This record gives sequence, C-alpha cells and structure tokens, in this order.
Amino acid sequence: DVKVTQSSRYLVKRTGEKVFLECVQDMDHENMFWYRQDPGLGLRLIYFSYDVKMKEKGDIPEGYSVSREKKERFSLILESASTNQTSMYLCASIPAGTGYNEQYFGPGTRLTVT
Amino acid sequence: SQKIEQNSEALNIQEGKTATLTCNYTNYSPAYLQWYRQDPGRGPVFLLLIRENEKEKRKERLKVTFDTTLKQSLFHITASQPADSATYLCALDGNTGKLIFGQGTTLQVKP
Repeated sequence: DVKVTQSSRYLVKRTGEKVFLECVQDMDHENMFWYRQDPGLGLRLIYFSYDVKMKEKGDIPEGYSVSREKKERFSLILESASTNQTSMYLCASIPAGTGYNEQYFGPGTRLTVT
Repeated sequence: SQKIEQNSEALNIQEGKTATLTCNYTNYSPAYLQWYRQDPGRGPVFLLLIRENEKEKRKERLKVTFDTTLKQSLFHITASQPADSATYLCALDGNTGKLIFGQGTTLQVKP
C-alpha cells in the first residue's frame, strides 16, 4: 500500500521559532510537493522538488524553505514562524513522467503559531 | 488572470439523489483535470482524471464531464450515500507541470 507520511498531525509553535515539517514517501517517487490549505483559498503550492537536492518555488514561497537530501524525504522549514503561517500543511508526491499522474497526499499537519 | 472556481457554498442533498458539483476555470488550457475527495483533517485522495480530448469518464457511481469550450467540469455522484459526505476538489494542469487546485465544495448527504 502506497504511503506518504508526515511527521506530526498537530503542531503548536511560538512566533519566531524555527519549525521543521517532514514528509516521507515509500513509493520511490521523484517529485514531491508542499502545499498549505486555508479556508476559502484551497491548496496553494509552496515549494516542489523534481529530484534530490533540486527545489523550485511554488506560488507562495515567502517565509519558507525546503530540503531534499534523500529521495524519499522532503522537509519544509519555517525559518521564523509567524501567526499568518497557521495553516494545514500537506505534502504530496508523484512519479516522474507526463504529469498526468495522480498526486498522493500525506495526512496533513495542522500547524498553529501563537 | 487565471482562475479556477468551485462553488464555495456547501451542497446538501438527500440520500439516493444525484449530487452535481461544478468546476469552472478561466485563462487556462489544461491538458487534463482531476477530482479529489478530502475528508475533514485528512489529505486529499485522488478519484478521477479526465483528459482534454475526453468528454466523459465514469468510475462506479462517479461521472466526470469536461467541456473545454465552456471551460467547465461537472462531477456527479449517483445514488448518493451519507458516506459520500466530504469536500471535493478539482485540480487542473496549469501547463507548468504543476496542479492548480480549486478551493473545494463540501457535499453533505442526508439520510
């Protein structure tokens, strides 16, 4: 059974803290994505990665960075958490190819920044 | 500007009826469109993909249509059940290799 796991389901952090969200997939997928989901705004792409050590900015990269040292692991980093980064964070992966493939999502991390 | 829109109001229907959800887009020419289901507190789960040259796709009680002239996709659930209650997201190929998601429509099926 294919699986995308995320390190935490719920996380509460203070303003200014450095926050790490981790995502691991066991499907040997090349492509991995980080989204945030907010009511009324849908899923918005933060960063994505086509390969190990490769990363590209999505639509809302400000305030975030990512790391992909191993194929199966894609980390999202909030360098200095702010209250407007309170959100649901979702990781997804797909194999390399035409892009027609479905995205496999993790269960999400609900982050609250106080 | 580019936009993808789903009805933000929740759709409430009676069990056994057909639910129809709408996804409209502007200023895109997607090669395909996908539909996902998302339960509260969970990640989206893929349901169906329809390509630009396909008018209709079916999977069990689900049917998706894709009208590239109207720039619209319709998602139907026939013989709906309370277990179908969830938020449904449409997503299209933004011609950049990335998916663009709508904000989702919440469906509530009442017994």
